[in-house]
Amino acid sequence: AQSVAQPEDQVNVAEGNPLTVKCTYSVSGNPYLFWYVQYPNRGLQFLLKYITGDNLVKGSYGFEAEFNKSQTSFHLKKPSALVSDSALYFCAVRGRNQGGKLIFGQGTELSVKP
Amino acid sequence: GAVVSQHPSWVICKSGTSVKIECRSLDFQATTMFWYRQFPKQSLMLMATSNEGSKATYEQGVEKDKFLINHASLTLSTLTVTSAHPEDSSFYICSARARLAGNNEQFFGPGTRLTVL
Repeated sequence: AQSVAQPEDQVNVAEGNPLTVKCTYSVSGNPYLFWYVQYPNRGLQFLLKYITGDNLVKGSYGFEAEFNKSQTSFHLKKPSALVSDSALYFCAVRGRNQGGKLIFGQGTELSVKP
Repeated sequence: GAVVSQHPSWVICKSGTSVKIECRSLDFQATTMFWYRQFPKQSLMLMATSNEGSKATYEQGVEKDKFLINHASLTLSTLTVTSAHPEDSSFYICSARARLAGNNEQFFGPGTRLTVL
């Protein structure tokens, strides 16, 4: 069965410090991997995706993520956090023959303090 | 970029009534639309996958007679919550997958907050 795990319910970071939001996945074959951000009472906004190629993917708002096949991980990172980055972050995976169906992690709430 | 809208953005209804939520792709054709449900500070749970012109495919545990989905055109899908009850109160989010070949992205709507009294 396919699954996505975000081991941390919450991540607290001071503004200006680097941040990491963890994601591991379990899926057969080579997956598509995604990160989304959700602000309160809003839909999901796309941040970045890994399809193939370079393992380091750069996305919106200075975020990046590294695909690590051996560790089945796709951690989200940003070198310098902003207070405005505080939100709920979701990692998602889609198998290559799954008809577009996304499997979401449980979400990680990021809190960036000034 | 591709835009998906939902209407209404929030709705309050009495128990026993039915509520219809619309999901539209504004600037692209969506062969597939997805409906999700989200409880506070929890993940999105896929309810059903909707393909234009065919019956929706429901996830296990989702009552198809309660959550009626219609995908009448390449730009519109509707979710009707029939005989709503307080436990149906939730945040409902749709997403649309573009028709363009090789496009692997889903574009999400802003969500609809349903409160059943």
